[in-house]
Amino acid sequence: TQTVSQSDAHVTVFEGDSVELRCNYSYGGSIYLSWYIQHHGRGLQFLLKYYSGNPVVQGVNGFEAEFSKSDSSFHLRKASVHWSDSAVYFCAVSATGANTGKLTFGHGTILRVHP
Amino acid sequence: EAAVTQSPRNKVAVTGGKVTLSCNQTNNHNNMYWYRQDTGHGLRLIHYSYGAGSTEKGDIPDGYKASRPSQENFSLILELATPSQTSVYFCASGHGGASEQYFGPGTRLTVL
Repeated sequence: TQTVSQSDAHVTVFEGDSVELRCNYSYGGSIYLSWYIQHHGRGLQFLLKYYSGNPVVQGVNGFEAEFSKSDSSFHLRKASVHWSDSAVYFCAVSATGANTGKLTFGHGTILRVHP
Repeated sequence: EAAVTQSPRNKVAVTGGKVTLSCNQTNNHNNMYWYRQDTGHGLRLIHYSYGAGSTEKGDIPDGYKASRPSQENFSLILELATPSQTSVYFCASGHGGASEQYFGPGTRLTVL
């Protein structure tokens, strides 16, 4: 069974600041990791994923994430946030080797960007 | 553009009543999923499907049934709704494996 922990329930920054949203996972086997964004009142939208290869993956709108096997982490970063980045961010993990695509989500981090 | 739609968008039901939530996707994805989202729990998987005629239990299937009559449609059925099933329900589709999922806009269900 895989678990996902997002240690920060809320993060508040100002426009133009850099931000890092933390994600840690636990699973004994091979997995892939992803981040999704949810704007208020909307469904989730895919941001980026890591499956193998380069541990730093680029996503949409300037987001990137770095996978670390030693730390069991997949933190999301953005160098300069915009007010429109205010949303809830979910980290998710799925076991590889199965076609289910079942995702286990963290509880989410609410990002507030003040203009 | 990938498209997943859900109906109704809002629903108020009475305890003990039957509720059906519908989902339609035009992505031609084999896999479809039903999640519920609750404060403090994130999203949790209720049922999923590999294709028409297939339904599988997710992590929290108790009190829910699912139906996949076609590639495009996937329904979530609450035969006897309870107040604990008050939540926001999301449908998603995807190719499975490591592929990303595409989510619908959600259905807000209130059971009184």
